[in-house]
Amino acid sequence: ETGVTQSPTHLIKTRGQQVTLRCSSQSGHNTVSWYQQALGQGPQFIFQYYREEENGRGNFPPRFSGLQFPNYSSELNVNALELDDSALYLCASSLAGRNANTGELFFGEGSRLTVL
Amino acid sequence: AQSVAQPEDQVNVAEGNPLTVKCTYSVSGNPYLFWYVQYPNRGLQFLLKYITGDNLVKGSYGFEAEFNKSQTSFHLKKPSALVSDSALYFCAVRDIGGNDYKLSFGAGTTVTVRA
Repeated sequence: ETGVTQSPTHLIKTRGQQVTLRCSSQSGHNTVSWYQQALGQGPQFIFQYYREEENGRGNFPPRFSGLQFPNYSSELNVNALELDDSALYLCASSLAGRNANTGELFFGEGSRLTVL
Repeated sequence: AQSVAQPEDQVNVAEGNPLTVKCTYSVSGNPYLFWYVQYPNRGLQFLLKYITGDNLVKGSYGFEAEFNKSQTSFHLKKPSALVSDSALYFCAVRDIGGNDYKLSFGAGTTVTVRA
């Protein structure tokens, strides 16, 4: 186990609704990244948070937003859900900074979102 | 820009035979390279990484990978496959010069090891 926990594990929403997914990072890690994994595809980078600020973003629209809290936990929010948002959402933690490791990410088990 | 290609959607081998999963990458600078494994309905588990040094990297569960800079490849290998190695394998790359820890993943290769 990586020590990264995500909730909820599964959820079903309808088009147009909003969803919040949560992630607790591994102890000692200060950076959280979110990835979307659609069925049959590799994970796609959504964004990364470091020191409570977004410091990297992939090709996702603004309705995908996030937060990082002082304890380094994080939330992913998706507004105006679309059918194509159905996917496994993965949170990954890592350590950035002067004593950074070599960029290895530790993933949680994911939150599977189904949009009907 | 950084990207990864996994040219095989599926790899099928018999238990006890060698297993190879192919990966090629593209980065503007020097790469950090990773292999992850995913079991059904689970997150990604780290197998191994190449940062610098020896081109042959050893990782978890008897897996190893060989970094080849001239061929921009990072193939995953296991000398003797087990049925329990059946899973989805992802290669990933990060540009060392990048300011964040974004990983770019391949589409994945499904490995099936038959008894």
